[in-house]
Amino acid sequence: SAVISQKPSRDICQRGTSLTIQCQVDSQVTMMFWYRQQPGQSLTLIATANQGSEATYESGFVIDKFPISRPNLTFSTLTVSNMSPEDSSIYLCSGSITDTQYFGPGTRLTVL
Amino acid sequence: AQTVTQSQPEMSVQEAETVTLSCTYDTSESDYYLFWYKQPPSRQMILVIRQEAYKQQNATENRFSVNFQKAAKSFSLKISDSQLGDAAMYFCAYRSEDSGGGADGLTFGKGTHLIIQP
Repeated sequence: SAVISQKPSRDICQRGTSLTIQCQVDSQVTMMFWYRQQPGQSLTLIATANQGSEATYESGFVIDKFPISRPNLTFSTLTVSNMSPEDSSIYLCSGSITDTQYFGPGTRLTVL
Repeated sequence: AQTVTQSQPEMSVQEAETVTLSCTYDTSESDYYLFWYKQPPSRQMILVIRQEAYKQQNATENRFSVNFQKAAKSFSLKISDSQLGDAAMYFCAYRSEDSGGGADGLTFGKGTHLIIQP
């Protein structure tokens, strides 16, 4: 399995502000992904974080709202920009080793 | 696009008994991977078991086993000798076979909330 850490673990933010979530993975990981889990819902893929280039976003997610960086193999950030209460969710980072994805502990975001 | 359906929002089982969680999926691909993840209240997603579509043999991990029916596009999870620690949300997930040097993200079902009765 992979060791994946995220910070912060939770945060409460005011609408209109931005929050950057950090994800650190161990060196076995090849691909990194970001997911959103809205309250009581399943996980939805936001984007694939590509090392040294722009992330690949899924339908319904845009770079201006969710800018993602991956400056090296083991680190990525997700920023939730210009937040509204609808952005209140758990945001999870994952990393893949061969065919299997392993998840970080998630960041619980509440927007007031 | 692939879809994953879990038709049981909630299941309840007595401790030490066996329970089966259902999952069906829709895809036009022939090669793919299927997974079951467990999410306890701590919200950490934990891999339970994985299955490669090209393998006919059903995957097993200790008390957890799957019934993979490729033609029926069905992938159920059986938990034997249920324990209190098995209580969690269980998500079925699909991933395409990587053919381009990268890897696709996962498509998840809506989840099944498993309750273990002591």
